[in-house]
Amino acid sequence: SQTIHQWPATLVQPVGSPLSLECTVEGTSNPNLYWYRQAAGRGLQLLFYSVGIGQISSEVPQNLSASRPQDRQFILSSKKLLLSDSGFYLCAWSVPGLINTDTQYFGPGTRLTVL
Amino acid sequence: GNSVTQMEGPVTLSEEAFLTINCTYTATGYPSLFWYVQYPGEGLQLLLKATKADDKGSNKGFEATYRKETTSFHLEKGSVQVSDSAVYFCALTGNQAGTALIFGKGTTLSVSS
Repeated sequence: SQTIHQWPATLVQPVGSPLSLECTVEGTSNPNLYWYRQAAGRGLQLLFYSVGIGQISSEVPQNLSASRPQDRQFILSSKKLLLSDSGFYLCAWSVPGLINTDTQYFGPGTRLTVL
Repeated sequence: GNSVTQMEGPVTLSEEAFLTINCTYTATGYPSLFWYVQYPGEGLQLLLKATKADDKGSNKGFEATYRKETTSFHLEKGSVQVSDSAVYFCALTGNQAGTALIFGKGTTLSVSS
C-alpha cells in the first residue's frame, strides 16, 4: 500500500530564516506530487505540483520554491521566510498521468509558525 | 474556470442529528467531485467521491450525490457522532490540464453528546 510522509511535523522559525520541508511517498512509482498551504481559517491553496523528477509547476508567485530531486521526494523551500508564510503545509500525491481527474492522497502536514 | 462553494460554518449538532453540508459548483465539462475530511491537527482524508452525474458516493455513513441539474454535491449523514467533528472540504477537478483539485473553504462540524 502507498504511504506519504512529511517532516517535520511542526516548525517554528524566525522571519528571514530559510525553510526546507520534505515529503516522501512510498509504494508507488512516478506519482504526481503537490504542495498546498492552508492558512488559519481558510481553505487550501495549491502552491506547486510536479509530474516527474525536475518538473515543477508553480500556481502562485511567492517567495517559496519546490524541487523534486528523486521520483518520490518533493521538497518545499524558502531562502527567507515572511510572517505570511505561517500556515499548515500539506503534501499530496495522485496516480501518475492523471493530473486533474483522480483522487489526491494527503500527508499528515507540517505546521509552520514564523515569528 | 471551475469553482466550488460550500456552506460556511461552523455547524453545531447534537449526537444522532441529521447532517447536511451544502456544496455547489461551477464547471465546464464533467468534473469529478470529492468530499475530504480533516480531523484536528491532521491532513486531509478522502471521504467519498463521484465521477459522473447521478453517481452517489458513500463512506462511513456519509453520502453525496452528483447532481448535474442543480450543480450540487451535498454531503449528508443520517446520524452524526461526536467522532465526526472535523472540517469537511468539497472539491472538484479543474478544467485545465495541469491544475489540481479545487477546494471549497471548508465547513467546520462540531457534534456534542
